[in-house]
Amino acid sequence: NAGVTQTPKFQVLKTGQSMTLQCAQDMNHEYMSWYRQDPGMGLRLIHYSVGAGITDQGEVPNGYNVSRSTTEDFPLRLLSAAPSQTSVYFCASSGSGRAVGNEQFFGPGTRLTVL
Amino acid sequence: GNSVTQMEGPVTLSEEAFLTINCTYTATGYPSLFWYVQYPGEGLQLLLKATKADDKGSNKGFEATYRKETTSFHLEKGSVQVSDSAVYFCALNSGGSNYKLTFGKGTLLTVNP
Repeated sequence: NAGVTQTPKFQVLKTGQSMTLQCAQDMNHEYMSWYRQDPGMGLRLIHYSVGAGITDQGEVPNGYNVSRSTTEDFPLRLLSAAPSQTSVYFCASSGSGRAVGNEQFFGPGTRLTVL
Repeated sequence: GNSVTQMEGPVTLSEEAFLTINCTYTATGYPSLFWYVQYPGEGLQLLLKATKADDKGSNKGFEATYRKETTSFHLEKGSVQVSDSAVYFCALNSGGSNYKLTFGKGTLLTVNP
């Protein structure tokens, strides 16, 4: 199993550009999430999905879109990049929410810089 | 709402020293508690977890006990190694919301030989 994979590993954008961060998991997990990690802020939830076709907003959703057409994939779209979106982005997945204490599995991250 | 407060870093220790990283939480219901570790340039890995009061999670010499009375989940290790140098995150979820972890801000640990 590859686990959770993310591409690209690094990306530099100019203000106003758009792009998609890719995330895929091969563990047949129902739940997938996107976080951003900023210095001194820990990880904050951007969007999440509880299954194919179902997504919802997290703590910091503005400027990002998601979709979940398959169980495996959960791309994150930046519509018009801003310097405030410079961050490290992590995708995570977990199994059934009905089981107590299921851990989240994290991808290796995408380091995004917006100039 | 849910929140996690953990010890601010950075923490610098010599090899074989004792480690404690404090973590306290606020949550509705009965949360599950986690410690994740992030090695330089990598994603987060689960270090240990506890799902109910008085549970002790342990892994790789690290331990943490779920204390409901003090709403705490402090991370300890008796003898740290250089290879333990990393950022440690305390986290919780509650209400079966396994898609939504609430994280502390992280504590950078550096262990010197």
